Amino acid sequence: QTVVTQEPSLTVSPGGTVTLTCASSTGAVTSGYYPNWFQQKPGQAPRALIYSTRNKHSWTPARFSGSLLGGKAALTLSGVQPEDEAEYYCLLYYGGARVFGGGTKLTVL
Amino acid sequence: QVQLVQSGAEVKKPGASVKVSCKASGYTFTNYDINWVRQATGQGLEWMGWMNPNSGTTDYAQNFQGRVTMTRNTSISTAYMELSSLRSEDTAVYYCARDSYGLDYWGQGTLVTVSS
Repeated sequence: QTVVTQEPSLTVSPGGTVTLTCASSTGAVTSGYYPNWFQQKPGQAPRALIYSTRNKHSWTPARFSGSLLGGKAALTLSGVQPEDEAEYYCLLYYGGARVFGGGTKLTVL
Repeated sequence: QVQLVQSGAEVKKPGASVKVSCKASGYTFTNYDINWVRQATGQGLEWMGWMNPNSGTTDYAQNFQGRVTMTRNTSISTAYMELSSLRSEDTAVYYCARDSYGLDYWGQGTLVTVSS
């Protein structure tokens, strides 16, 4: 069973920068896994932020960016805002299957 | 504008089946796969599978094979997810999501409660 691992929780100060990562139990994450990133706030459906490693949707704030870092997919938030406090999930594509990471709870404090 | 509108909350007894619908609008329904994802209360997202609305081809996550069926009615741009042999652990919010540029648009979610 493939496992996708994210940091359970991170804390960042307003205006700061934080990087969330997404690792695969099968080895290094590459662009071929088409990493997606989602933001979810309590009581809401997930909102797509990033697709195919680094591509933003039209509604994705400029302070969010995606990349590959040290064999993992990464989501970097630069100039964090209080409204960025949320749960963040990555999703990796394994051929026909997809697997979500366990999520990272981001606290802005 | 793209929208995915799901059916309302359901309460089912253990052993029963549930069928959730997902009505698409604002785009050509048959052009993009529909994925289903669920989330138990306080837990993370769990991918269940996808369906190609054009061909009807499906691919289910291993955890759900044998219990889940994804279908569609192209005449009304609606996808369906049926889960059978329900148990209490299936209590969750079920989401549909369009797979275009990643899972870009999501339905609002449907709460399925399994309780005797």
